[in-house]
Amino acid sequence: EAAVTQSPRNKVAVTGGKVTLSCNQTNNHNNMYWYRQDTGHGLRLIHYSYGAGSTEKGDIPDGYKASRPSQENFSLILELATPSQTSVYFCASGDAETGGRQNTLYFGAGTRLSVL
Amino acid sequence: QQQVRQSPQSLTVWEGETAILNCSYENSAFDYFPWYQQFPGEGPALLIAIRSVSDKKEDGGFTIFFNKREKNLSLHIKDSQPGDSATYFCAARRGSALGRLHFGAGTQLIVIP
Repeated sequence: EAAVTQSPRNKVAVTGGKVTLSCNQTNNHNNMYWYRQDTGHGLRLIHYSYGAGSTEKGDIPDGYKASRPSQENFSLILELATPSQTSVYFCASGDAETGGRQNTLYFGAGTRLSVL
Repeated sequence: QQQVRQSPQSLTVWEGETAILNCSYENSAFDYFPWYQQFPGEGPALLIAIRSVSDKKEDGGFTIFFNKREKNLSLHIKDSQPGDSATYFCAARRGSALGRLHFGAGTQLIVIP
């Protein structure tokens, strides 16, 4: 079973502050993703990565940066946090060929972020 | 714009009943449709998935019915149990999109004992 670990699990930040959300996966998946989950919107893709050193913009990248320093780690950075970024953030990993279950995404448990 | 739509937003059924969750999509190029199940405090987990070349997929008590012409699909949960109470997300992806799943807003299912 794929293991995706997010930290912190809960975070309270002040408006204008910098926030870094971290994600680690131990299954050597090439692809990693950051989603945010809001009531009424489901999961929306912020940034993703195809491997170490690569980051791509998802559907709602404004106000967020991403960093993939290694195969295992993928961070989401809010340089100037705003209250509209209050949400639950999920990291996921996956590959196009994962034990026959093509393109299964494995999600972490989420980080609940409140920006005051 | 919401490319994947789900209904109802919330569904309550009695234990033993069949729960039916609906999903529709806009993009005819979508060809892979997974359903993810999410329990409170956890991340979503893949439950069952179907490709557009099929019209039905079964796995245990879960069945997906897919209608390509109408661009909709449904998840049937047979003999629902309280442990099936969760939020269910329908998602869709184009063949070349390498994991860029588009998720619906979810259906919260409550199964009453």
